[in-house]
Amino acid sequence: DAMVIQNPRYQVTQFGKPVTLSCSQTLNHNVMYWYQQKSSQAPKLLFHYYDKDFNNEADTPDNFQSRRPNTSFCFLDIRSPGLGDAAMYLCATSRDALWQGDTDTQYFGPGTRLTVL
Amino acid sequence: AQSVTQLGSHVSVSEGALVLLRCNYSSSVPPYLFWYVQYPNQGLQLLLKYTSAATLVKGINGFEAEFKKSETSFHLTKPSAHMSDAAEYFCAVSDGGFGNEKLTFGTGTRLTIIP
Repeated sequence: DAMVIQNPRYQVTQFGKPVTLSCSQTLNHNVMYWYQQKSSQAPKLLFHYYDKDFNNEADTPDNFQSRRPNTSFCFLDIRSPGLGDAAMYLCATSRDALWQGDTDTQYFGPGTRLTVL
Repeated sequence: AQSVTQLGSHVSVSEGALVLLRCNYSSSVPPYLFWYVQYPNQGLQLLLKYTSAATLVKGINGFEAEFKKSETSFHLTKPSAHMSDAAEYFCAVSDGGFGNEKLTFGTGTRLTIIP
């Protein structure tokens, strides 16, 4: 089945120690997103890739970076995690509006829960 | 700017009773509207979406939602609640513009089912 995969599902890191979260997709979607979701809150968009074009949200801290080496993979790098960065990180994909049918639906992975000690 | 308001952060219904989760939106263009469900420690799963076709949209797990432009609402309903429906539900809006597929989420409604 085509899907969005996130590894690992649970990640523990230490305060200030860089961490990378991984997302892969078999949907061949050209748009990939990273969201941060803190406890009992709505997902908050950090950034997204439209093909290779990176689009950062204005309020995303510089501490958060992303890489997309190819269509299938996207990484979230947190350079110096703080206690406030503990959250669920969700990856999502979609096709752009040029495609007919399933326009604008975002498909989410299961998430990676990050704990910062 | 578009926004979504979900009335009621917590809703409790008895098993077998009607489920009604409320969502109102604000958008300057005809919106795309979505309902997602999130189970504990899981990602978001699409329940249904409205994309300017039929105003009554049927989704998975027996859920449906009706788009009412005059009320700027997109409430989610299910005739008979099941224990497995206990989860967090998010309403979201997108303007669907080319190259701008960003979703704006509501703050979520936690649904509890009472046996």
